[in-house]
Parts: sequence; C-alpha cells; structure tokens
Amino acid sequence: GENVEQHPSTLSVQEGDSAVIKCTYSDSASNYFPWYKQELGKRPQLIIDIRSNVGEKKDQRIAVTLNKTAKHFSLHITETQPEDSAVYFCAASPHSGYSTLTFGKGTMLLVSP
Amino acid sequence: DAGVIQSPRHEVTEMGQEVTLRCKPISGHNSLFWYRQTMMRGLELLIYFNNNVPIDDSGMPEDRFSAKMPNASFSTLKIQPSEPRDSAVYFCASSLDGTGRSGYTFGSGTRLTVV
Repeated sequence: GENVEQHPSTLSVQEGDSAVIKCTYSDSASNYFPWYKQELGKRPQLIIDIRSNVGEKKDQRIAVTLNKTAKHFSLHITETQPEDSAVYFCAASPHSGYSTLTFGKGTMLLVSP
Repeated sequence: DAGVIQSPRHEVTEMGQEVTLRCKPISGHNSLFWYRQTMMRGLELLIYFNNNVPIDDSGMPEDRFSAKMPNASFSTLKIQPSEPRDSAVYFCASSLDGTGRSGYTFGSGTRLTVV
C-alpha cells in the first residue's frame, strides 16, 4: 500500500516569511495529492490539491509542486500570517479503482507575529 | 448544505461501556470514511463505505470496533467494550466517489475519552 512521509513535523516562522512542507510517497501509481489544513480543535479542510498531469498549482499565497520522478510534492506558503498557524497534512491517492487517501503525519506550523 | 454532521461532539465514558458514534454524510456523496486521530499515529483510516457497502475495514483495530451504514444518509461506529486506549478524535468524512480524488469533506469530529 501507499506510504506518505511528511517533513518537518514542526515548523516555526516569523510573520511574512515563507514556509515549505515536503512529502514523499511510495506508490508510483498515485496521481492525486491534496493538502489539508487543520486548525486547533477543528476539522481538516482541503486547501489545495494537484494531479499528476501538472507540476505546479498556485492559489494566492499557497502553491504546491509535484515531482513524479522523485515521488515528492511540497506545499509552499508565502507571506505567512498568524492565521496560517495550524497543522497541515499531505495525502496521496492512487489513480484507479476504489482507493482512499493516505495521509502524512502532519506538520504543525507556527507563525509568530 | 450543512456538511458532514457528527454526533456527539464529545463523549466521556467509563472503560467497558459501549460507545456509538454517528455520522450523516453530505447528500449525494457516495463514499463515507471513518478516521481516528491521535497525536502518536496521526489520521488512521478505520473503514470506508461506497454506496453503503463496506469496501475496506482492514484499519479497524480489533473486533471491539464495528461500523454500519444502513442507508445513504447515516453511519455508525461502535466500540464495545471501550478501553482507555480508544481515547481519540474520531472523524467521519464523505466524498463524491470512492477514489478520494474528489476530495474529502470532514465532519467536526467526536472527541472520545475513555476513563
């Protein structure tokens, strides 16, 4: 089955800095890679996703990049704000058939004012 | 749409008691997932249903756990008997199809404490 590794487990940045979270996956058949944000005491919520037919996707201050050859993908947050503080989860899903998302262990991002 | 609705939000029970968690998926979503979240193990998939049929229950930790989906708008996760190590946040999620590629919508979760 799929195995998703996520690094770092915690990340502290100053407001305005950039933050990068990296994930690797094991199943070369995976082709859908979403990212979820979970604020303290809240539910995980989808913030951005990428499919294997593209290498990069942007949505305002967040972007995701994918390297299928190396089997890794990353979340980039620019101009971080205190409200970006949360736990971020990456996930991967194979292309075909019934399958589920395999989640990484999460990265706790703390943005200090 | 009200989203995925879970109840109760919090549950405190004594070891050995039966616990039932409930979930109402988003109308029109064909797949439903039960996850358990702990600090040590992160988000673990327990079981998922497609069109009310259990597809994969390999994540259910042991026979004390059982899940049902009697119709498209309701699912339960039952733990009997409960143990302190079952303490966790249990999330229900639903998606349009069974692939995960349409994205999951999570419920607010049930925080279970077994004392």
